[in-house]
Amino acid sequence: NAGVTQTPKFQVLKTGQSMTLQCAQDMNHEYMSWYRQDPGMGLRLIHYSVGAGITDQGEVPNGYNVSRSTTEDFPLRLLSAAPSQTSVYFCASSYRLAGYNEQFFGPGTRLTVL
Amino acid sequence: KQEVTQIPAALSVPEGENLVLNCSFTDSAIYNLQWFRQDPGKGLTSLLLIQSSQREQTSGRLNASLDKSSGRSTLYIAASQPGDSATYLCAVGGYQKVTFGIGTKLQVIP
Repeated sequence: NAGVTQTPKFQVLKTGQSMTLQCAQDMNHEYMSWYRQDPGMGLRLIHYSVGAGITDQGEVPNGYNVSRSTTEDFPLRLLSAAPSQTSVYFCASSYRLAGYNEQFFGPGTRLTVL
Repeated sequence: KQEVTQIPAALSVPEGENLVLNCSFTDSAIYNLQWFRQDPGKGLTSLLLIQSSQREQTSGRLNASLDKSSGRSTLYIAASQPGDSATYLCAVGGYQKVTFGIGTKLQVIP
C-alpha cells in the first residue's frame, strides 16, 4: 500500500494563478480531508468528503474548491492564489468518520504564493 | 467549538529521561483522541489512537491516557532517546471533524 500520496511536494505560484493539489489513497477509505498548517495555528480543516460525490466545507474553505469523483482521489483547487494561502497542505484519509477512526496523512505540499 | 491545548509548547530533556506531554480539550463529547508525531518538513505519523471508551493505549515506550470527564490526555514517553526529537500533536475526534492542538516540540539531548 502506498497509503496517502500528494503531489507536488513543493509549488511556487504568483498571485492570481490557479492550481490543483493532488491527493490519492489506496486504502479504500471513505473519508478524506484537506488541512492547512500554519506556524502557531495548528492544522485547520479546509474541506472534507465522506464519500464519492459528497463534499463539505471545513473551518477555512474560502478560496478553495474540491470534488470527489472517485473513492481514491480528492483534489484541492486554488482558484486565484493569494499570499495568505502560503502554507503547508496535508491530505488525510480514514475508514469512515474522521472523528471515530484513525486518520492517515500524506507527506504534504509546501505552497508559496508570491 | 472544540479547543485543544497542548502544554508545554516546547520541552528539552536529557537522553534517558521519562517525560509527559499534556493535551486538554474543552468539549468532552469526543469519539477518539489521536497522538501524532511530526518531524521537521514532514507529514504526520500516527502514534496512538484512544477510543472514547478506552482509558489508555500503549505502544513500545509510549503510553497515552484519556480522561474524558476532565478533558485531558497525556502522552508518556519512557527512556527518551534523541530519535524521539520531533513535534507531538494531539488530535481530538468529534463527529466528522478532528481538532488539532498546536503541538509540543520535544528535543532530547544526547
